[in-house]
Amino acid sequence: AQSVTQLGSHVSVSEGALVLLRCNYSSSVPPYLFWYVQYPNQGLQLLLKYTSAATLVKGINGFEAEFKKSETSFHLTKPSAHMSDAAEYFCAVSEGSSGSRLTFGEGTQLTVNP
Amino acid sequence: EAGVAQSPRYKIIEKRQSVAFWCNPISGHATLYWYQQILGQGPKLLIQFQNNGVVDDSQLPKDRFSAERLKGVDSTLKIQPAKLEDSAVYLCASSLDPGTLGDEQYFGPGTRLTVT
Repeated sequence: AQSVTQLGSHVSVSEGALVLLRCNYSSSVPPYLFWYVQYPNQGLQLLLKYTSAATLVKGINGFEAEFKKSETSFHLTKPSAHMSDAAEYFCAVSEGSSGSRLTFGEGTQLTVNP
Repeated sequence: EAGVAQSPRYKIIEKRQSVAFWCNPISGHATLYWYQQILGQGPKLLIQFQNNGVVDDSQLPKDRFSAERLKGVDSTLKIQPAKLEDSAVYLCASSLDPGTLGDEQYFGPGTRLTVT
């Protein structure tokens, strides 16, 4: 069975600082991994996805994530936070055996302080 | 390209009442998903359709929840009777090709249900 753990339900950074949101997964087969962002009263928007190609994945809005099999991690980073990055971020995993079904983590609320 | 449409956006009902949500996926998308997102948690899959057939409904509380996708396009999700713990945001998503692993899911804005 697949599962996702996001460390830290709330992360606060200053504008211009590094953003690091942590995600660890559990999967019995090579996983597909995703990061989604959710702004208030909106649906989820895909930031980036890992599908067994390059381990460093670049996404929209300057975000990137690195797949580390040895650490079962897929942490999301952005070098310099912007006020508009304040939102909730979800890591999700999909296994080939379950098709496109996604299992989400509990989410991390990112606050960006001026 | 129009996104995933959902209605209503907000709904308040009393417990034991019934409620229905509607979803129109992106045109041409074969797969449609309904998720339940309780406040402070990540979305949880309730049911997955491929065209008008059910692929996965293992987490759907079938004693009170039902869903259908007539003609493989629009879908409705119904709760009857509602319980307090059903208060959540119900998200609809669609994806183009169910045979493609890692296929991106596109989400609608959700319906926020409050059961009092």
